Amino acid sequence: ETGVTQSPTHLIKTRGQQVTLRCSSQSGHNTVSWYQQALGQGPQFIFQYYREEENGRGNFPPRFSGLQFPNYSSELNVNALELDDSALYLCASSDNRGLNEKLFFGSGTQLSVL
Amino acid sequence: EDQVTQSPEALRLQEGESSSLNCSYTVSGLRGLFWYRQDPGKGPEFLFTLYSAGEEKEKERLKATLTKKESFLHITAPKPEDSATYLCAVQYSGGGADGLTFGKGTHLIIQP
Repeated sequence: ETGVTQSPTHLIKTRGQQVTLRCSSQSGHNTVSWYQQALGQGPQFIFQYYREEENGRGNFPPRFSGLQFPNYSSELNVNALELDDSALYLCASSDNRGLNEKLFFGSGTQLSVL
Repeated sequence: EDQVTQSPEALRLQEGESSSLNCSYTVSGLRGLFWYRQDPGKGPEFLFTLYSAGEEKEKERLKATLTKKESFLHITAPKPEDSATYLCAVQYSGGGADGLTFGKGTHLIIQP
């Protein structure tokens, strides 16, 4: 059984650029959620995908968007990067739409925006 | 106002010195309260889910309890390998459609 894998592990971008982060969910899981974790803070919910459709979103602007593919892997896209977007981006997979289920997190992508 | 507040922010203990971490929440319609452990450079690792007041769960040196407004993570006779950041999170009706709302965490250091 493979765990949640994310790529790349580190990324440096310039303000205004666009970035795509990738996530492979744990085998058998049909739900992927994305979280942003700033330094010294807890993770903040960005959105969740269940069977290729977004079915929940936190307080993040539309320039944060995502996709889930038929194999349940996922992408997080961020347009028009801002300095405050610098953070650790975590992907988590689960079964049953994540309802009252434990999440399995990847090790994250550390994004630095200069 | 934060919906999930953890205290203390940081805690340094000697090996074998038991203590408790606190997580208080102000949301209504709680569907679950979660405890995670996060090591540096890693994603959070699931520890426990609690669903209703009075519930308790144990795993090795850790025991989690839940009341109507807070949860405690009790650490008994900790070892240096228990050093990590402990995160509390809630899932509630009216939250971001099944997403978890996390606290800022308690950074725990166990000294040999």
